[in-house]
Amino acid sequence: GDSVTQMEGPVTLSEEAFLTINCTYTATGYPSLFWYVQYPGEGLQLLLKATKADDKGSNKGFEATYRKETTSFHLEKGSVQVSDSAVYFCALRAPQRAGNMLTFGGGTRLMVKP
Amino acid sequence: EAQVTQNPRYLITVTGKKLTVTCSQNMNHEYMSWYRQDPGLGLRQIYYSMNVEVTDKGDVPEGYKVSRKEKRNFPLILESPSPNQTSLYFCASSLSLKETQYFGPGTRLLVL
Repeated sequence: GDSVTQMEGPVTLSEEAFLTINCTYTATGYPSLFWYVQYPGEGLQLLLKATKADDKGSNKGFEATYRKETTSFHLEKGSVQVSDSAVYFCALRAPQRAGNMLTFGGGTRLMVKP
Repeated sequence: EAQVTQNPRYLITVTGKKLTVTCSQNMNHEYMSWYRQDPGLGLRQIYYSMNVEVTDKGDVPEGYKVSRKEKRNFPLILESPSPNQTSLYFCASSLSLKETQYFGPGTRLLVL
């Protein structure tokens, strides 16, 4: 079945450090890929997405490139801020699945210290 | 403001006592769904609805019921809650199938 694997956290960085959160997936066909962010006490918000191979999603300084050859969608940011502290979820939507079901990874908590 | 709302936000109950968690969206979205979030497992879909009176099971439907009598509302019903249903629940909606889903703030449920 479809699955998403992301690095376990927490990831602790100092402000202005470079961020990478790894995400790999298993799916048949050509899934769409997403990164969601969950700030403390809030619901999930879509951060960025990519719908086909080699697409790059970007938003708020975050980027991720859909790599079909390595089945990966790693999240990167060049300079993190304290306000980026949150839990980040990688997810996929497989085209053959019924409904609009998203398959999520386990989440990675990011803590950014001043 | 466009949003998905859930009530209650926090709930403590006992085994076997029926409860309902409400979900409402004001964006005229056709598609709505419920997820549960458990540590290390991410979010897993419980049920979804593609329109009024159209619902279907997700990956983990056991022990839950839903209804979609109005477009804006999609309540989640636990008729006989058990401790393994202690979790964080999220409602989500999207304009249509395959569109981006918008999530509510979550409902934290503890079943004793």
